[in-house]
Amino acid sequence: DTEVTQTPKHLVMGMTNKKSLKCEQHMGHRAMYWYKQKAKKPPELMFVYSYEKLSINESVPSRFSPECPNSSLLNLHLHALQPEDSALYLCASSHGTGIYNEQFFGPGTRLTVL
Amino acid sequence: GENVEQHPSTLSVQEGDSAVIKCTYSDSASNYFPWYKQELGKRPQLIIDIRSNVGEKKDQRIAVTLNKTAKHFSLHITETQPEDSAVYFCAASYSGGGADGLTFGKGTHLIIQP
Repeated sequence: DTEVTQTPKHLVMGMTNKKSLKCEQHMGHRAMYWYKQKAKKPPELMFVYSYEKLSINESVPSRFSPECPNSSLLNLHLHALQPEDSALYLCASSHGTGIYNEQFFGPGTRLTVL
Repeated sequence: GENVEQHPSTLSVQEGDSAVIKCTYSDSASNYFPWYKQELGKRPQLIIDIRSNVGEKKDQRIAVTLNKTAKHFSLHITETQPEDSAVYFCAASYSGGGADGLTFGKGTHLIIQP
């Protein structure tokens, strides 16, 4: 399996809801990432996990809570989001060791917060 | 932190002509420079990358050049085809043997005119 998969593809939620985004890869990669992409903008880094440990948090509000249950899975738990959090949420993975740092992206979850 | 500037924001070329997109970066520690192609509604796809110990890399119709002293790198697409129409992002990161997030440029919308 050479792809990063993400579920759900689309998500609509209210500001009081709790939801989770899921990302999975079976390429043996040990680094996984969450990026946020607004329309007509580049992806912006949110979190980096290296060997299942959070290594980078780009000052993301606490209403976004990442979790890495194992080396193949990455979740993003959402709670009390704001309408401005509506965006495409992209997961990526990379080898995570040595110089092999090519990042491969999943198809994203398009999130709408009402 | 790293800052990546990308120009132009929009580039329109005739089919069969060449296209050049330029990026500059600010952090001299960055040593990995990928280029991504993103079609409307799709995930970013890695099309080529270059590391700081190399000045140029080519893959069929696409090539990337890196000037480490000037801190700029460029994407060259020759013999452009309609399927090359997309948004192209340059990015930079530091690969020190672990995982590092990518800092993206703002993107170039490449339009191939038939």
